[in-house]
Amino acid sequence: EAQVTQNPRYLITVTGKKLTVTCSQNMNHEYMSWYRQDPGLGLRQIYYSMNVEVTDKGDVPEGYKVSRKEKRNFPLILESPSPNQTSLYFCASSQLVGAYYGYTFGSGTRLTVV
Amino acid sequence: DAKTTQPPSMDCAEGRAANLPCNHSTISGNEYVYWYRQIHSQGPQYIIHGLKNNETNEMASLIITEDRKSSTLILPHATLRDTAVYYCIVKETSYDKVIFGPGTSLSVIP
Repeated sequence: EAQVTQNPRYLITVTGKKLTVTCSQNMNHEYMSWYRQDPGLGLRQIYYSMNVEVTDKGDVPEGYKVSRKEKRNFPLILESPSPNQTSLYFCASSQLVGAYYGYTFGSGTRLTVV
Repeated sequence: DAKTTQPPSMDCAEGRAANLPCNHSTISGNEYVYWYRQIHSQGPQYIIHGLKNNETNEMASLIITEDRKSSTLILPHATLRDTAVYYCIVKETSYDKVIFGPGTSLSVIP
């Protein structure tokens, strides 16, 4: 089944403890992106990648890092999480060529930083 | 900012057609109209997209006005499982950032 898989689904952590949220897709998509969703603010893009070793900042990149060493994986790294990073996170992927491809989203990761 | 405007909420009776409008008056010639939906806190799900012709798939129909300044997503026989937030988005290429506005919260009522 074509899908984007995020792990973990739920995570509670303490301020300052480094964590990684994994994202993997099995559709050979070039484009991958991370979003966070907060009440009243909608979905905001954190980082995106147009191919292996090519990443760029979205609207809210502060406090996050990403890497794209393999086409299928796009982990989101929080080096020193803070409570304002408590949010619902989504990874998405898409084919790059052609405007007619929609995004496939993962099921989400609900992160709580205390 | 989102390039589209949608009503914040709508109700629809189960089994009836749900017609969700979207205004995109500043759409450019190369931009596609996409619709997604998000059920509770699940990941948004792609529904349909179109450029200027009407489109239909197994989930819905998309009607785009001739001037392309607005569109309507039609769920022909709404069920309770269609209760969700529906997002209308315009973008030109597959790698354009997807900007989600507030969307329309559709409630399907028994």
